Amino acid sequence: NAGVTQTPKFRILKIGQSMTLQCTQDMNHNYMYWYRQDPGMGLKLIYYSVGAGITDKGEVPNGYNVSRSTTEDFPLRLELAAPSQTSVYFCASSSINPQETQYFGPGTRLLVL
Amino acid sequence: RKEVEQDPGPFNVPEGATVAFNCTYSNSASQSFFWYRQDCRKEPKLLMSVYSSGNEDGRFTAQLNRASQYISLLIRDSKLSDSATYLCGNAGGTSYGKLTFGQGTILTVHP
Repeated sequence: NAGVTQTPKFRILKIGQSMTLQCTQDMNHNYMYWYRQDPGMGLKLIYYSVGAGITDKGEVPNGYNVSRSTTEDFPLRLELAAPSQTSVYFCASSSINPQETQYFGPGTRLLVL
Repeated sequence: RKEVEQDPGPFNVPEGATVAFNCTYSNSASQSFFWYRQDCRKEPKLLMSVYSSGNEDGRFTAQLNRASQYISLLIRDSKLSDSATYLCGNAGGTSYGKLTFGQGTILTVHP
């Protein structure tokens, strides 16, 4: 099983550019999440989804957008990249029972210059 | 007050030592609690989950104190391979499974 996969692994953006971080899970999980982790810090929730077609904001949604057209995919869109968005981005998923374990992807390291 | 707070450490302990971390939380409606382990430049991976008073898995023991709103992680007989960052997380009283994480506690086990 691939679990949760993320692409790209690393990306450098210029200020004002946009990009989409891809996240795919093959565990048929309903719940998916996007987190960012700044150096020496914990994980902060950006957006989450409880199923296809349903998304909601987390703690730090500004500057990001998401969509969930299928159960498997949960892309994160950055519009007008800013240096403050330099971070490591993790996608995660969990099963129908929302209290169960979250499985994380390997992360995308983003540098905005 | 932060929703989840951890002592960032770092904790430096010799092999074989017993070490304990605490994690306090502010949401009294929290129903489930988790300890994740994160190696340098890697994704977090579940170490233990706690739904009632505690959980034990080999050298690792997690205990929940709802009255004082904290959860602890005890590691006995520390190994060099235990060196990592330990993240505490809890899921609030909603049905959406949103986890709130602390900033993590750094553990270094030395020979």
